Amino acid sequence: EPEVTQTPSHQVTQMGQEVILRCVPISNHLYFYWYRQILGQKVEFLVSFYNNEISEKSEIFDDQFSVERPDGSNFTLKIRSTKLEDSAMYFCASSGSPRTPQHFGDGTRLSIL
Amino acid sequence: EDKVVQSPLSLVVHEGDTVTLNCSYEVTNFRSLLWYKQEKKAPTFLFMLTSSGIEKKSGRLSSILDKKELFSILNITATQTGDSAVYLCAVGRDTGNQFYFGTGTSLTVIP
Repeated sequence: EPEVTQTPSHQVTQMGQEVILRCVPISNHLYFYWYRQILGQKVEFLVSFYNNEISEKSEIFDDQFSVERPDGSNFTLKIRSTKLEDSAMYFCASSGSPRTPQHFGDGTRLSIL
Repeated sequence: EDKVVQSPLSLVVHEGDTVTLNCSYEVTNFRSLLWYKQEKKAPTFLFMLTSSGIEKKSGRLSSILDKKELFSILNITATQTGDSAVYLCAVGRDTGNQFYFGTGTSLTVIP
């Protein structure tokens, strides 16, 4: 069964550094999403992406965040200047349409020191 | 403010028991409610519900939605240790692509 893959599985970074989290969505999906889950808290929506542009973003997704689809398969989340409170599990998801279930990757655990 | 509330927060049962997990929501322009199972990593999709009163079933798991009372339940019969996980409920709106997640119910099944 096709799946969403994310790399790396764990990223440790110094505060203030830039990080790029990578995702390969399911190949025939057109809608891509990033969510985060701070330890012990609920999964929170960050951004959705369709047709090479952001279609929706939450209040969390401020100017330090950006997303990109640099080629036909990858979907990336960049955090420009990381803060301690960015430590969380970041999930990528994809779906064939906005009305079909979103399928999640295994996540990248981001630890900011 | 849109919100999704799951109960109970955690549950410990013995193998063979039947459990009912609850999800209530207050979301404007409701479109769909999804159930996911989260073990150590990725939430894995279980059910998508859009219409009231129609039960979705997969093996020992079943789920139903009540759009009038704004809740859904997830039933697991004859529980097994492999059912131990966090079960997440997520609600989508007709306007927009994001899903609003509850905090989840942590289920532990003891042999």
